[in-house]
Amino acid sequence: GENVEQHPSTLSVQEGDSAVIKCTYSDSASNYFPWYKQELGKRPQLIIDIRSNVGEKKDQRIAVTLNKTAKHFSLHITETQPEDSAVYFCAASSPGGQNFVFGPGTRLSVLP
Amino acid sequence: GAVVSQHPSRVICKSGTSVKIECRSLDFQATTMFWYRQFPKQSLMLMATSNEGSKATYEQGVEKDKFLINHASLTLSTLTVTSAHPEDSSFYICSANNYGTANTEAFFGQGTRLTVV
Repeated sequence: GENVEQHPSTLSVQEGDSAVIKCTYSDSASNYFPWYKQELGKRPQLIIDIRSNVGEKKDQRIAVTLNKTAKHFSLHITETQPEDSAVYFCAASSPGGQNFVFGPGTRLSVLP
Repeated sequence: GAVVSQHPSRVICKSGTSVKIECRSLDFQATTMFWYRQFPKQSLMLMATSNEGSKATYEQGVEKDKFLINHASLTLSTLTVTSAHPEDSSFYICSANNYGTANTEAFFGQGTRLTVV
């Protein structure tokens, strides 16, 4: 089955700096890669996603890149703000989206 | 976006009792819902996949007699923690995929924090 790894587990950046979180997956059949943000005590919320037919996607300060050959994808947050502090989960899904396999998460702290 | 509602958000129960958690898709039909368990500062661990009208598919290591899942309609799945013990205390969260949209996005319920005393 699919296995998703995520690094780093914790990340601290100064406000205004960029943050990068990286994930790798094992199943070459996976074709959908969402990123979720979970604030303390709340449900995960989708912030951006990418499909395997696209190499990069950007939405304001957030971007995701995908390297299918290497089976890894990354989340990039620019101009970080304190409200970006949360736990971020990557996930990989096989065709049909029957299930997501989540990475272990990255706790991002943006220091003022 | 689509809405998934989960109740209760918090529950405290005595050891040995059972607790039922409901997960509803409010504005779309969900033939499949997923139940996760999340320990403090850890990731979402899939417990089972709930299929409407059929038996749930449990992940390895999850006791199906302890965590009863029922998916009687296209908008409702329930998770019942039977004979709860303190070690069952955790954050339980459901999700459903809205296959009616172009993207296969998973929508999460707000989660249930279960404390067994």
